Amino acid sequence: QVQLQESGPGLVKPSQTLSLTCTVSGGSISSGDYYWSWIRQPPGKGLEWIGYIYYSGSTYYNPSLKSRVTISVDTSKNQFSLKLPSVTAADTAVYYCARWDHAFDIWGQGTMVTVSS
Amino acid sequence: SSELTQDPAVSVALGQTVRITCQGDSLRSYYASWYQQKPGQAPVLVIYGKNNRPSGIPDRFSGSSSGNTASLTITGAQAEDEADYYCNSRDSSGNHPDVVFGGGTKLTVL
Repeated sequence: QVQLQESGPGLVKPSQTLSLTCTVSGGSISSGDYYWSWIRQPPGKGLEWIGYIYYSGSTYYNPSLKSRVTISVDTSKNQFSLKLPSVTAADTAVYYCARWDHAFDIWGQGTMVTVSS
Repeated sequence: SSELTQDPAVSVALGQTVRITCQGDSLRSYYASWYQQKPGQAPVLVIYGKNNRPSGIPDRFSGSSSGNTASLTITGAQAEDEADYYCNSRDSSGNHPDVVFGGGTKLTVL
């Protein structure tokens, strides 16, 4: 079955760029049936949709983060990635990648990213 | 963007029925999906569409919708159902397919 796995640094300094990658296994990211998403959850708080990407490269972002976020896809590696520049402590969260098909039906385990000097 | 509103906390006696609600304008146009999240774990989809359960989700979980309100009902709540529950839907306020989450409901099974 399809599985998602996030990877990237667990600690990022303020003002630097947060970069995460989600590797999709057990299925092709190019199948065309799904949107591939990033979601985050600050400690003790709720879920926040960051954005998603179609295999063709079309992207849709949360309006509150749109000016800062870039999501890209590498179909040859079956991966998609998140970049969030100029991070602050407010960006400290567990970051999840997930598959969207009218619902987030498959999630990665999540990766904790702490913004601190 | 639209918002989805959930009660912060709900409790239910073991074996009883509980309804968790989600309100928002986008629910007049789109079905809600529901996710269960236990401490330290990723969310798990429990209900999607009109009232569909992914494989492996017990049939005590059901969903319904009326107007701007979606509901998740657990019939005969079990101790293992104690968790945070989040609703989400598409966002109907713009021309693009944004997604919005509710703030979450903490379910306590007494």
